[in-house]
Amino acid sequence: GAGVSQSPSNKVTEKGKDVELRCDPISGHTALYWYRQSLGQGLEFLIYFQGNSAPDKSGLPSDRFSAERTGGSVSTLTIQRTQQEDSAVYLCASSFSPSSYEQYFGPGTRLTVT
Amino acid sequence: KQEVTQIPAALSVPEGENLVLNCSFTDSAIYNLQWFRQDPGKGLTSLLLIQSSQREQTSGRLNASLDKSSGRSTLYIAASQPGDSATYLCAVRKETSGSRLTFGEGTQLTVNP
Repeated sequence: GAGVSQSPSNKVTEKGKDVELRCDPISGHTALYWYRQSLGQGLEFLIYFQGNSAPDKSGLPSDRFSAERTGGSVSTLTIQRTQQEDSAVYLCASSFSPSSYEQYFGPGTRLTVT
Repeated sequence: KQEVTQIPAALSVPEGENLVLNCSFTDSAIYNLQWFRQDPGKGLTSLLLIQSSQREQTSGRLNASLDKSSGRSTLYIAASQPGDSATYLCAVRKETSGSRLTFGEGTQLTVNP
């Protein structure tokens, strides 16, 4: 069956531009998570959705970062006025429910800010 | 704040060797611990998940143990193969802070033919 998909797989943008990253979770999974993996910082939690609401957005590094989820399915992570330190791999994961044991990860979007 | 540490950061072994990867966490109030594998340029693949009430989990050549009270987990790989070469990450889910995972920095494993 289909796993978690993310698009684009790679994105190169100029400093100061806005970017949108997309995540399609596994069908039927109600919980969706965004993480960021960067050199020197490891893998960090950004935000978690249950349905269309975000009970935990404490990992978002600044107000330039926002995310939404619609229809309990697709999620979009938006970074405004990108900075070079935003360069990282952005990973999305989903699970059947918040209390489900396993999170299933997508392949990630590699963002490079020049 | 939960901190997860993995030792060693990198490991290179000859094919066929048995090996152990270590993971430690500072806050023993965890819900579960999960071991992942990450291949270069790819996402994470879940290998084993251990609930806080469990001591170990096995899948094929992999065995993961958990000692919650001492804040440690090990991933044992038997009869290593070149295809096992990857970065191995452990992650803990805390009981009281929702569903987020806190990850270690990973161990980069190379199995030489």
